Amino acid sequence: GQQVMQIPQYQHVQEGEDFTTYCNSSTTLSNIQWYKQRPGGHPVFLIQLVKSGEVKKQKRLTFQFGEAKKNSSLHITATQTTDVGTYFCAGARGQNFVFGPGTRLSVLP
Amino acid sequence: EAGVTQFPSHSVIEKGQTVTLRCDPISGHDNLYWYRRVMGKEIKFLLHFVKESKQDESGMPNNRFLAERTGGTYSTLKVQPAELEDSGVYFCASSQGLAAPRGEQYFGPGTRLTVT
Repeated sequence: GQQVMQIPQYQHVQEGEDFTTYCNSSTTLSNIQWYKQRPGGHPVFLIQLVKSGEVKKQKRLTFQFGEAKKNSSLHITATQTTDVGTYFCAGARGQNFVFGPGTRLSVLP
Repeated sequence: EAGVTQFPSHSVIEKGQTVTLRCDPISGHDNLYWYRRVMGKEIKFLLHFVKESKQDESGMPNNRFLAERTGGTYSTLKVQPAELEDSGVYFCASSQGLAAPRGEQYFGPGTRLTVT
């Protein structure tokens, strides 16, 4: 079945450093979503990418969808302690989504 | 607007017992999803309702799990009998619209199930 992988599994950064998490699918995706889950919380939607090569920005967050629509990335510029949490990508599978295992980000003040 | 709510927030049961989880989606959302996250691993899809119909239940682990969505409103997920490996956090999510690609999913706070 379709698999969605994410690297790295964990990332520890100093506040102010940049952070990137990568999402890779074994099959072509029609679209991809990104979610953030704070410790003890629930996943919160960040963005959805649909077009090949699409790039979207939300303040310090930059999201990319690969040309082949099999990979995606989330880049955070100048991390802050409020960025702490687990970032999940979710690739569309038919009418539903397959979530990756997530990247847990720790930000040291 | 109220968000997705789930009940209970925590449940501790013994192996062999029955537990029923409830999810109230955002009013007007046709799509309702159940997910499970075990020991900090990936968020695993269980099933998807469109209104009262099961659109996709390919993620349901086995026949000990039964989900219903009466009248296309709230949904219940029953585990009977519960096994140790059923422990985890069960999330419910809802979204609007029936056209693909599906839009933003709104997640509930989750039910943490512990089977001892």
